[in-house]
Amino acid sequence: QSVLTQPPSVSAAPGQKVTISCSGSNSNIGNNYVSWYHQLPGTAPKLLIYDSNNRPSGIPDRFSGSKSGTSATLGITGLQTGDEADYYCGAWDSSLGAYVFGTGTKVTVL
Amino acid sequence: EVQLLESGGGLVQPGGSLRLSCAASGFTVSSHALTWVRQAPGKGLDWVSGITGRAGTPYYADSVRGRFTISRDNSKNTFYLQMNSLRAEDTAIYYCAKAIERGISNFDYWGQGTLVSVSS
Repeated sequence: QSVLTQPPSVSAAPGQKVTISCSGSNSNIGNNYVSWYHQLPGTAPKLLIYDSNNRPSGIPDRFSGSKSGTSATLGITGLQTGDEADYYCGAWDSSLGAYVFGTGTKVTVL
Repeated sequence: EVQLLESGGGLVQPGGSLRLSCAASGFTVSSHALTWVRQAPGKGLDWVSGITGRAGTPYYADSVRGRFTISRDNSKNTFYLQMNSLRAEDTAIYYCAKAIERGISNFDYWGQGTLVSVSS
């Protein structure tokens, strides 16, 4: 059972914005950086956001990350059909001495 | 160019063992944290194990501690996951990944995945 909670699904029309929440605790999000990954069907995950709000090279600025307290948020603006994927947050958990992933959110472009 | 190439997956009976390998190129394995993540069919990502960069300190998920061992061979630029006492619930695609830095977080490059099936 994951310690990071995400909504099962979010959806919006092309060009619109979606946000995905990731709720944790002081032992993970509250005191450690958050990463965000997306996974297209049948492929390996890909890093979208690191250190809570930084984008690796090649990731468009349509993707943004933020963190407040024990929660983090991924925002996607200008939604495209190619953004349909599963999205996961992740963070180190200092109490568990383990990395934890969120429950995952499926993004659907209407 | 950074690349990670997994091997070693397959079908094994409950209680059996497998060793997964992840051959790295384009970076030095000793300088970055390395990790194994699995995904059961139709399920989400499940972190299995990681090893820190430089010091090489291993960490494990509770579900595999005592059964799995992560290691790296700097001379071969390869890291491994030795899996013993395998159970049906270990069936999954196993991905290897590297971290941006020495800490176990921010996995920026991933392998293609290798399937492990535990069944009699």
